[in-house]
Amino acid sequence: DTAVSQTPKYLVTQMGNDKSIKCEQNLGHDTMYWYKQDSKKFLKIMFSYNNKELIINETVPNRFSPKSPDKAHLNLHINSLELGDSAVYFCASSQVQGNNEQFFGPGTRLTVL
Amino acid sequence: AQSVAQPEDQVNVAEGNPLTVKCTYSVSGNPYLFWYVQYPNRGLQFLLKYITGDNLVKGSYGFEAEFNKSQTSFHLKKPSALVSDSALYFCARRGGYQKVTFGTGTKLQVIP
Repeated sequence: DTAVSQTPKYLVTQMGNDKSIKCEQNLGHDTMYWYKQDSKKFLKIMFSYNNKELIINETVPNRFSPKSPDKAHLNLHINSLELGDSAVYFCASSQVQGNNEQFFGPGTRLTVL
Repeated sequence: AQSVAQPEDQVNVAEGNPLTVKCTYSVSGNPYLFWYVQYPNRGLQFLLKYITGDNLVKGSYGFEAEFNKSQTSFHLKKPSALVSDSALYFCARRGGYQKVTFGTGTKLQVIP
């Protein structure tokens, strides 16, 4: 039983295209996150949603738009993809109350050609 | 800004020897600190956390970490390293609005 799942695992696309990454958690958590991990393995938060409400929106180009249809899902849509968007994108979830740890998905490796 | 620093890009240790992966944190605010491990082509996995209480925190896979307020450190330790411990380790800190800031990561290489 996968706790946090992401699809697709790999995404190869051309510059200028629009693509989406989906994330689902079955842990009953109230908060979900998107992170970007670059080629040097630096991990940076992009967005966070708590009970479908956006609470963290880091300095991310507005080509990136998160959408949370319900507490268990947080999708990431990227418009007009650029070479610099190539990275591994991780979804995570946590139960905020009690300073709980985050559970990460397996990642989506995005390659923009 | 509340942050963490991992001063070592890589740590090499012989199998069976004790290992330490270092992490320091900035002084401002309450230091809610975490350690995560990332195996190749995988997502991060939680190891342990310090919120309050005992300075020595025990976690998964035999790892532990010591919270040291005077040195503003939260080093990850294990008494006897295994080859399977080889991975990328991240220190992290929870700040306002549940934002978690990660360190730059330390690659641990356990040599057989």
